[in-house]
This record gives sequence, C-alpha cells and structure tokens, in this order.
Amino acid sequence: KAGVTQTPRYLIKTRGQQVTLSCSPISGHRSVSWYQQTPGQGLQFLFEYFSETQRNKGNFPGRFSGRQFSNSRSEMNVSTLELGDSALYLCASMSSTGELFFGEGSRLTVL
Amino acid sequence: GEDVEQSLFLSVREGDSSVINCTYTDSSSTYLYWYKQEPGAGLQLLTYIFSNMDMKQDQRLTVLLNKKDKHLSLRIADTQTGDSAIYFCAEGNTGKLIFGQGTTLQVKP
Repeated sequence: KAGVTQTPRYLIKTRGQQVTLSCSPISGHRSVSWYQQTPGQGLQFLFEYFSETQRNKGNFPGRFSGRQFSNSRSEMNVSTLELGDSALYLCASMSSTGELFFGEGSRLTVL
Repeated sequence: GEDVEQSLFLSVREGDSSVINCTYTDSSSTYLYWYKQEPGAGLQLLTYIFSNMDMKQDQRLTVLLNKKDKHLSLRIADTQTGDSAIYFCAEGNTGKLIFGQGTTLQVKP
C-alpha cells in the first residue's frame, strides 16, 4: 500500500512569488492535513480537509490556502511568499481508526 | 491554550531502555501519538493510543498514559543506534494535532 506522497520534494522560490504543493493521501483516507515545520516554531497545524471541506484551520494568514479534490488529493498554496515561509511542509492523511500518517514533506526555500 | 511539553534531549547507552516523557493540557483529545523524525525525513508514526487506554505495547515500544496527570511516556526497550532521532508526542481529535517541541534521543555505542 502506497504511503502519503508529496510533490515536489524540494523547491526554491523568491519573495513575492507563489507556490503550490501537492499531496496524495493513502488510498481510502478521506482526511488530509497540512503542517509547517520550522526550527524556530516547530510543527504547526495549517489546515485539515475532509471530503473536500475544510474541517479545521490553524492560525496562519490568508496567504496560506488549500483545497481537496473529489479523489481526496489535496493542494496547498502560499501566495506572496516571504522569507519566513521557508520551511518543511508536511501533509498527513488519517485512517478511519485514527492513525495519522505523514509524507516526506516538501522543503520550500524562499530567497 | 492547548500545549504539549517534552524534554529536549536524552542520551542513553546502546542496549539500555529509553523513556521519553510528554505532558499535555487538552483533556478532550481522543488520540495521543508518538512520531520519529530522522534528519531530512518526514514523520514516522511509531504508535498511538486512545485516550481511554492506560497502556499499549508494540514490540520494543511501550506507551503509558496517566490521564489524571495528563502525562504520556514512550519506553523503547533495548535501544539501538538506529533509534537515534527526534521523537515527537502529539495530541488531537481529528487531523489537527498539537505537537511537542521534540526530544532528541542520542544513543551511544
């Protein structure tokens, strides 16, 4: 069974640009969550989608947005990138029994 | 607000047991998790426990939950050098988890 797949794994952007990250959950999982990991702030929750609806949202500015498609795949978008957005972005999918599995992450560097 | 606290560093000898501790504040959390993160990698789910359980054992891993004190621990038996990593505890109800800062486990040969 394939795990959570995130693309791209690495990317470099400049300030002011926007970026879209993609996540394919484990087959059969309907919940997809996104997290930001930085050395200073640790792991912070961005948002969660379940059956194409945003179920939870963290404390991030409106520049951070996401969506989920009918096949449960999810994307997150960050507009008007700032240097502080440099981070590892992790996607997770949840089973019906509560197991939350993470992907390998997308490492974003903003120059 | 919701908070999860962990000690930052633990050093053990190969073959010894490791115990990583965690305290949390949200008593309404349904699940409590332990994750392992190696350099440059994502989070690997080690084990998780329902909040109505006291203990869970899975091969070398034992999780103990004290609901009264909101204290969670992870014991790794016969610790190996391959166990060197950062360990995170987390609590939550759905896909929204609150994570601790992580405990760096150093295993000396």
